[in-house]
Amino acid sequence: DAKTTQPPSMDCAEGRAANLPCNHSTISGNEYVYWYRQIHSQGPQYIIHGLKNNETNEMASLIITEDRKSSTLILPHATLRDTAVYYCIVRVANWAGGFKTIFGAGTRLFVKA
Amino acid sequence: NAGVTQTPKFQVLKTGQSMTLQCAQDMNHNSMYWYRQDPGMGLRLIYYSASEGTTDKGEVPNGYNVSRLNKREFSLRLESAAPSQTSVYFCASSVNTEAFFGQGTRLTVV
Repeated sequence: DAKTTQPPSMDCAEGRAANLPCNHSTISGNEYVYWYRQIHSQGPQYIIHGLKNNETNEMASLIITEDRKSSTLILPHATLRDTAVYYCIVRVANWAGGFKTIFGAGTRLFVKA
Repeated sequence: NAGVTQTPKFQVLKTGQSMTLQCAQDMNHNSMYWYRQDPGMGLRLIYYSASEGTTDKGEVPNGYNVSRLNKREFSLRLESAAPSQTSVYFCASSVNTEAFFGQGTRLTVV
């Protein structure tokens, strides 16, 4: 699985969009970009994933560059409850095959009132 | 549907003691995983099981053993606990495009 690089921390004002970047320059053609978050010390929570097209769901949007070497997770209207560590992961899509997944240190997002 | 359930939630061990962390999932997933998370760090894979009856080492397997008891249950055993194993342990299961995590076991070895 390709490695990723994320800033260690970011701040965002409540109600504004939070844009979390991730670099994955060694991504392979069959690898997807996944985002998870971990609130306080709870288990990680799935947010979104994508291959090359932009994706949106009820939680967030994922923008992947055309060369797929970087991506941005967008929380459109951040709330205090979005304060968490956000992990960007690059891996093949099928988790069921038992592939290993490496979680890095992630980005600690602080949403401020 | 409880998802992934871990027991216990908290545990304190003395150096050299043994214990087993339990994990069960009710989503009929084939793959299960054990991770550890040290303060301020991401999750590191200890062991995983692609399907019932198979287990494989992850990044940091030393000092641990696992058992895939059946499709639902995947346990992690510390035979002789060491202070370096003080951590939060997460179990996960997966199917296709998503993995689900338990709420963690906070283990302290003194």
